[in-house]
Formats: sequence, C-alpha cells, structure tokens
Amino acid sequence: EVQLVDSGGGLVRPGESLRLSCAASGFTFSIYSMNWVRQAPGKGLEWLSYISRDSNYRYYADSAKGRFTISRDNARNSLYLQVSSLRAEDTAVYFCARDEGELARLSGMDVWGQGTSVIVSS
Amino acid sequence: QSVLTQPPSASGAPGQRVTISCSGSSSNIRSNDVCWYQHLPGTAPKLLIHNNHQRPSGVPDRFSGSKSGTSASLAISGLRSEDEADYYCAAWDDSLRSRVFGGGTKLTVL
Repeated sequence: EVQLVDSGGGLVRPGESLRLSCAASGFTFSIYSMNWVRQAPGKGLEWLSYISRDSNYRYYADSAKGRFTISRDNARNSLYLQVSSLRAEDTAVYFCARDEGELARLSGMDVWGQGTSVIVSS
Repeated sequence: QSVLTQPPSASGAPGQRVTISCSGSSSNIRSNDVCWYQHLPGTAPKLLIHNNHQRPSGVPDRFSGSKSGTSASLAISGLRSEDEADYYCAAWDDSLRSRVFGGGTKLTVL
C-alpha cells in the first residue's frame, strides 16, 4: 500500500524548534519530489515547501523562508521539515505530500500523509 | 489574501451540478497546470484533478476540470451528500517560484 506517515508534532513553546518527519512506504520514494503543506485552525491549505527527488531543487513559500528547512533521506525513505523559532501562528496540522509528476509546475500532490499537529503555546 | 481567488462558499441540491471558480494570473494559471483538491476536516486532502482536467484513478467522472486563460473551474455533477467538503485549486506560480493554493470553497449539499 502506498503510504505516507507524518510524525514529530506536539506542543512546543514559542521560540523552540521542531523536526517533522514523513515516512514513505509502498512506492519508490527516491523518484518522487515531495512537499510540506499545513492547515492552521479555521484556515485553508497553505503550501510550505518542495524538494526535488535528488534534493537539488528546494522551494519555499514566503511564510517559510528563513525558518523552515526541507530535507530528505532517500536511503531511509524519509522526508523532513525542520522548523525553528516557532511562533503561535505556526500552530497547524502539517502534511507531507507526494508530487505525481516530474515538474512542479505541471504536477499535483497525489499521496498525502495523515498530518501531524503542531501547537505553539507558552 | 490568497494568490488564487475562489468563492468562499457554494451550494447545490442533490443531483444538481455546481461549479467552483478559481481566478489567478499570467504567472500561475495561464502559465502552469491547475489542480483541484477535496478536503474533509480531520482527513488528508485528496487530489481530484491534475493537469487542468485529468482525473486520477478512482475519482468519479462526476468531477471535471477546465481552464481558460487565467481562470479555472471545477464542476461537480450529480451532487451527492458525500461531496460536502472544502475544495481548493492550486498551481505553480513562476513569479513567486512557489506553489499556491486558492482560499478554498466550502461546498454545502442542501
């Protein structure tokens, strides 16, 4: 079964850091580009970051530049999002998602994790 | 404020046809392909349409997508109660060098 499992969320204090993980199974992880998307409470979906299959290309939303770092380990079939200097407005459910095509400009995200919840509060 | 503009809500009776619009610009919808996602609260979003009008395997043909210029549309025919969800359009934006979502449309089946 093709599957993505998100983990690493939790309750953290403002200013702290967190690393989110996404474990892939049931498909050849190394040939797919990957993304992180989040949804804050009561808000819509917000795309955060993209990483190509070989990690050569990484793109970030303006809201993620500077504090968010996407990475992957193809040997471990895993995707990561390092988030630093967390703020209350980072409170959200974070999803990893697979790109179904080769080029981001032509692709959709066809497989999603179940999401991991991050709550930033003192 | 989202880069792609969707109506916040839409509604229709069972069996009817409803259309959701998505308005963008030359740097996103005109230049790149549009996708549509269905999202039920508490679940993972689901890809409904990719490459403007292509349906992934398993998506019923009641769902169809189209694009013209800087706008795109999702049409749902034969509306069912289980279609009640939030719908999002998305596209790559060449100027921002990022993927962008619409603000989402909450579909209510009356």
